[in-house]
Amino acid sequence: DAKTTQPPSMDCAEGRAANLPCNHSTISGNEYVYWYRQIHSQGPQYIIHGLKNNETNEMASLIITEDRKSSTLILPHATLRDTAVYYCIVRVSGAGSYQLTFGKGTKLSVIP
Amino acid sequence: NAGVTQTPKFRVLKTGQSMTLLCAQDMNHEYMYWYRQDPGMGLRLIHYSVGEGTTAKGEVPDGYNVSRLKKQNFLLGLESAAPSQTSVYFCASIAQGAGANVLTFGAGSRLTVL
Repeated sequence: DAKTTQPPSMDCAEGRAANLPCNHSTISGNEYVYWYRQIHSQGPQYIIHGLKNNETNEMASLIITEDRKSSTLILPHATLRDTAVYYCIVRVSGAGSYQLTFGKGTKLSVIP
Repeated sequence: NAGVTQTPKFRVLKTGQSMTLLCAQDMNHEYMYWYRQDPGMGLRLIHYSVGEGTTAKGEVPDGYNVSRLKKQNFLLGLESAAPSQTSVYFCASIAQGAGANVLTFGAGSRLTVL
């Protein structure tokens, strides 16, 4: 699976949009981009994923560049409960995708 | 539907003691993983399994053993605990197959080795 690069930390004002970037320049054509977050010491929680097109669900939006080498997770109206570590990972679809590697992620602090 | 359940949630061991962490999933997932997370660090893969009866080493396997005798269970063993193994351990599982699959995590097991 391709490696990802994320900034170690970011701040966001409450109520504003939080834009979390992720670089995955070595991504291959059949690799999905996934985002997870970890609140305090809980187990990581799935947020959203995408392959090529932009995606939106009730939690967030995922914007993937046309060349697929980077993506941005958008939390449209950040709240204090969104303070967490956000992980971006890429994974090949289908059988044979075994190891799933998490980096240190981005620590997002939502400020009142 | 409980998802991924880890037991115990907390445990304190003395150096040299042994113990087993149990991970159980009820989603019929083929792949299961054990990660450890140290303070301020990301998740590091210890061992994983791609099916019943199969296991493989991850990034930091030394000092740990695993078994997957049943599809729904993945056990992580510490034969002789060391203070360096003080950590929070997370189990996760994912379905095999084409398309996107979501990794589901347990709530974690906090282990302290004195």
